[in-house]
Amino acid sequence: AQKITQTQPGMFVQEKEAVTLDCTYDTSDPSYGLFWYKQPSSGEMIFLIYQGSYDQQNATEGRYSLNFQKARKSANLVISASQLGDSAMYFCAMREENYGQNFVFGPGTRLSVLP
Amino acid sequence: ETGVTQTPRHLVMGMTNKKSLKCEQHLGHNAMYWYKQSAKKPLELMFVYSLEERVENNSVPSRFSPECPNSSHLFLHLHTLQPEDSALYLCASSQDREGSYNEQFFGPGTRLTVL
Repeated sequence: AQKITQTQPGMFVQEKEAVTLDCTYDTSDPSYGLFWYKQPSSGEMIFLIYQGSYDQQNATEGRYSLNFQKARKSANLVISASQLGDSAMYFCAMREENYGQNFVFGPGTRLSVLP
Repeated sequence: ETGVTQTPRHLVMGMTNKKSLKCEQHLGHNAMYWYKQSAKKPLELMFVYSLEERVENNSVPSRFSPECPNSSHLFLHLHTLQPEDSALYLCASSQDREGSYNEQFFGPGTRLTVL
């Protein structure tokens, strides 16, 4: 079974608008961390934001925020005020306490920002 | 040099060649990773080294052989590869502490083509 699901293969958003990228995860481990990465066409994976399973508040980093709904096992990424440079692949990833250093990545969502 | 570097950035090799990919991290991290990213597939974790010891080997074919001589350097030795091994190979590092989930920092990747 897929541990990380990203149901949107591709998304379009108008410049300056907000967009939400979906991520659902599957784990029985009570302790885990959730991550979002951006991968531009150059190939490098860029860390964006992190949410711990015990964190009480949703994580925010600049224009990025994470809508964490633990009961639903979802960790959606919200990008506010989209910019042309936000066009890239976006990956959701999880690291579980019982799996040590193993990161599991989702299939990704390709975001295209339209001028 | 800062962050995580990888050389070469591009590599074309025949199935009988032997080559090596190199990764170097300048972040003082204690864990390093090799990932394979094929078209239309999720990122696949290949090898993890924590404190220079291999922690996980996710059933990667023996034609891929990792080497971690110290905490800053990681190699992936390649021999007798197949065309389906063509992919982007990403190196990452992180600072691992028990009970916390630290993000991985990625290099720019090596684009490998096997003819």
